[in-house]
Amino acid sequence: EAQVTQNPRYLITVTGKKLTVTCSQNMNHEYMSWYRQDPGLGLRQIYYSMNVEVTDKGDVPEGYKVSRKEKRNFPLILESPSPNQTSLYFCASSFDLAGRDTQYFGPGTRLTVL
Amino acid sequence: AQSVTQLDSQVPVFEEAPVELRCNYSSSVSVYLFWYVQYPNQGLQLLLKYLSGSTLVKGINGFEAEFNKSQTSFHLRKPSVHISDTAEYFCAVSDPGGNEKLTFGTGTRLTIIP
Repeated sequence: EAQVTQNPRYLITVTGKKLTVTCSQNMNHEYMSWYRQDPGLGLRQIYYSMNVEVTDKGDVPEGYKVSRKEKRNFPLILESPSPNQTSLYFCASSFDLAGRDTQYFGPGTRLTVL
Repeated sequence: AQSVTQLDSQVPVFEEAPVELRCNYSSSVSVYLFWYVQYPNQGLQLLLKYLSGSTLVKGINGFEAEFNKSQTSFHLRKPSVHISDTAEYFCAVSDPGGNEKLTFGTGTRLTIIP
């Protein structure tokens, strides 16, 4: 089954404790992206990647890191999480650029930073 | 940069009644437009998209949207809604000249009243 998987689905952590949210897709997509969803703000792009070893900042990259060492994986790293990073996070992938092609979204990761 | 406005944060509609969800974007130059739907506790999935061609776009689950360049709008419509249409709907826009990024609206929560 074609899908985007994210782990963990739910995470409660404390300020400053490094964490990684994994994202994997099995559709051989070139393009991958991370978004955060906050009430009243919709989805905002954090980082995107157009291919292996090619990443770039989205609209809200502060406090996040990403890497794209393999085509299928695109982990999101919070090196020192803070309470304002409490949010619902989505990974997405597509064959072509997000602004032209259909994006396939993962189920989401709900993160709470205390 | 492109932006998109969804003026209605919540829309209650009786079952089997028609619905229109409004979306306006910021620029009158060429754009690509999308509607995504998010069912409860799930990721987003594409309903329909406009890249070029006919201004009336048909999507999944009986939804359609009309691209209106003069009014910079891309409203989503369905002639008769069902309980299963309860979800949050996001309009999104990109710039064809730089479409690595997709900008989302703040979303409209559609509630179907039995």
